[in-house]
Amino acid sequence: ETGVTQTPRHLVMGMTNKKSLKCEQHLGHNAMYWYKQSAKKPLELMFVYSLEERVENNSVPSRFSPECPNSSHLFLHLHTLQPEDSALYLCASSQERGGGETQYFGPGTRLLVL
Amino acid sequence: GQNIDQPTEMTATEGAIVQINCTYQTSGFNGLFWYQQHAGEAPTFLSYNVLDGLEEKGRFSSFLSRSKGYSYLLLKELQMKDSASYLCAVRDSNYQLIWGAGTKLIIKP
Repeated sequence: ETGVTQTPRHLVMGMTNKKSLKCEQHLGHNAMYWYKQSAKKPLELMFVYSLEERVENNSVPSRFSPECPNSSHLFLHLHTLQPEDSALYLCASSQERGGGETQYFGPGTRLLVL
Repeated sequence: GQNIDQPTEMTATEGAIVQINCTYQTSGFNGLFWYQQHAGEAPTFLSYNVLDGLEEKGRFSSFLSRSKGYSYLLLKELQMKDSASYLCAVRDSNYQLIWGAGTKLIIKP
C-alpha cells in the first residue's frame, strides 16, 4: 500500500463514451501527476499539478482533461478516445514538485478503448 | 534529444547476482532513480543517486557515474519475488523526470 489509490482499476470504453479516472493520495503531498504507460515504452508524463495548479501539460490531446479540486484528489476526464489511447494510466504524488522528491505511484487504471 | 537506455529483458537464477545497466543522455542532471514494478502493480521507489558512487540498501545497490552518464542496479541473493520490471529515471535540469522503458527481470529456479 503506497498511499495512492486509483479507481477504477480496469476500464473498457467505446470511442464515443465519456469516463473519468480518479486518484486519491493520503500522504499529505502537494504535487500530483498523471502518466501514461504503454507496453515496452517509457512512462509518458501527461500532467503535473502543484498545489492544485496545473504546472505542466506535455502536449496531451484535448480528449484528456485533468481536474484537481484539492491537493488530495486528481481526476482525468476522458472523451472520444482512440484505440491507441489504450494503456495503463498511472497517478503519482510527491511532497513537492522538483528536486530530489520521490514520486509515489498508484496501482494504475488499465484502459482499453474499443 | 533526451534518452535513457536499459536492456529490455534479463534472465537470472535464484540465489545469484544480477546487474541492470542504465545509460542516459539528458539536458542536465539532478539525480537518478530506480523503481521496481511488478506486473499489474504500481512502480515502487528503490533508490536515488545524485552523487557518484555506490548506495547500498540491503540486497539492492545502485551505482552512479555522472561523467559516464551511467548507472546500474545490483541485486544480490536473488529471490523469485524479484521478478519484475526495473525502471531507470533521470531528473534533468528542468526537474523533469525522463524515464527509461524498463528492464523486465525474469528469475528462474
